Amino acid sequence: DARVTQTPRHKVTEMGQEVTMRCQPILGHNTVFWYRQTMMQGLELLAYFRNRAPLDDSGMPKDRFSAEMPDATLATLKIQPSEPRDSAVYFCASALGTGNEKLFFGSGTQLSVL
Amino acid sequence: QKEVEQDPGPLSVPEGAIVSLNCTYSNSAFQYFMWYRQYSRKGPELLMYTYSSGNKEDGRFTAQVDKSSKYISLFIRDSQPSDSATYLCATQAGTALIFGKGTTLSVSS
Repeated sequence: DARVTQTPRHKVTEMGQEVTMRCQPILGHNTVFWYRQTMMQGLELLAYFRNRAPLDDSGMPKDRFSAEMPDATLATLKIQPSEPRDSAVYFCASALGTGNEKLFFGSGTQLSVL
Repeated sequence: QKEVEQDPGPLSVPEGAIVSLNCTYSNSAFQYFMWYRQYSRKGPELLMYTYSSGNKEDGRFTAQVDKSSKYISLFIRDSQPSDSATYLCATQAGTALIFGKGTTLSVSS
């Protein structure tokens, strides 16, 4: 059963600490997305990659957020330093990259920054 | 104005009711429209996918797109308690999807 795997599922940290979230896309999918979900804003696109190259990261606060794909089976989203306003659910999604994108989402990382 | 607007609800209906969920979008260039369903503490999952205008039916679910009015609808017939979830409409802008905020539906038995 192919699925997107995200770790950790939950993260509680203190303001100023570094947070790293990981995502394993579905095998064979070459496009990976990072979304953030809050009650106020809904699902917001942070960044996405195709064939491991970043295509768009305009949704990310550049001073504290960074996204990478060290290899085709791993995507990471890092926040340093974290702030309380970063508290949200962070979702990774992957797609085949055919152009008509059907996204498959992971279960998310629930982040709480105290 | 956000590119995709969706009434957040919540919407509560009895089992067996017909449910209508709606979104509007702003950019007439959008061609692909989707509905995702999200259960509590889970990621969104694709429910329906349509291209351009018209209707698409899948079991108890019907997706409808009216490009002239920039209106997207999802109809659920014979609603079941298992349909209780948040429903998000989405449209494709380039490669990435733009989502509405979601409508929370509760179906009581």
